[in-house]
Amino acid sequence: QVQLQESGPGLVRPSQTLSLTCTVSGGSISSGGYYWSWIRQHPGKGLEWIGYIYYSGNTYYNPSLKSRLTISVDTSTNQFSLKLSSVTAADTAVYYCARVNYYDGSAYFDYWGQGTLVTVSS
Amino acid sequence: QSALTQPASVSGSPGQSLTISCTGTSSDVGSFNLVSWYQQHPGKAPKLMIYEVSKRPSGVSNRFSGSKSGNTASLTISGLQAEDEAVYYCCSYTGSSTFVVFGGGTKLTVL
Repeated sequence: QVQLQESGPGLVRPSQTLSLTCTVSGGSISSGGYYWSWIRQHPGKGLEWIGYIYYSGNTYYNPSLKSRLTISVDTSTNQFSLKLSSVTAADTAVYYCARVNYYDGSAYFDYWGQGTLVTVSS
Repeated sequence: QSALTQPASVSGSPGQSLTISCTGTSSDVGSFNLVSWYQQHPGKAPKLMIYEVSKRPSGVSNRFSGSKSGNTASLTISGLQAEDEAVYYCCSYTGSSTFVVFGGGTKLTVL
């Protein structure tokens, strides 16, 4: 059973960089057919896809966040990470990491982390 | 890419069946059989309920079913149970730079 767990600071100052890590267990992040994604949910709102990364390091970002976003992967530790720079209060949200199942041309999020609330405030 | 359109809320009594709609465009829902549905209980992570329009992951009750017609996908829940009370989100692959688009979510209340 694949499990994902987010970790990182729960409070970030405005204009600073939000950094989160997702640790994958129960499966290898280097398995083909899967992308590793970040999704966020603003308080009381819907879901927003942030971006994803393949184990090779190839990335794909939401155009609305692309200029501030970096997603990286460390296959040796089975982790992938998110960095979002120049944050504002609008970046306050619960951040989820999730696995994208891409087998046979599919595209759905089959495993999710529990989510972590990140608040941007001074 | 605009969000998919879902009703804000639906309700039903235990044992009843109900359907949640998810309307997109010919660029997302209408173009790909890659609609998925997620159930989210308060304070919890979303859970995959349906993928590729109508497929159920292992462990998901067969009371949940999905379908699609044109630009609209639907999630049907039969034999409503109290535990089904949650927010449901649809999601469609877009084939564009936005990768996927989510619906705004539908709060299901079991009366």
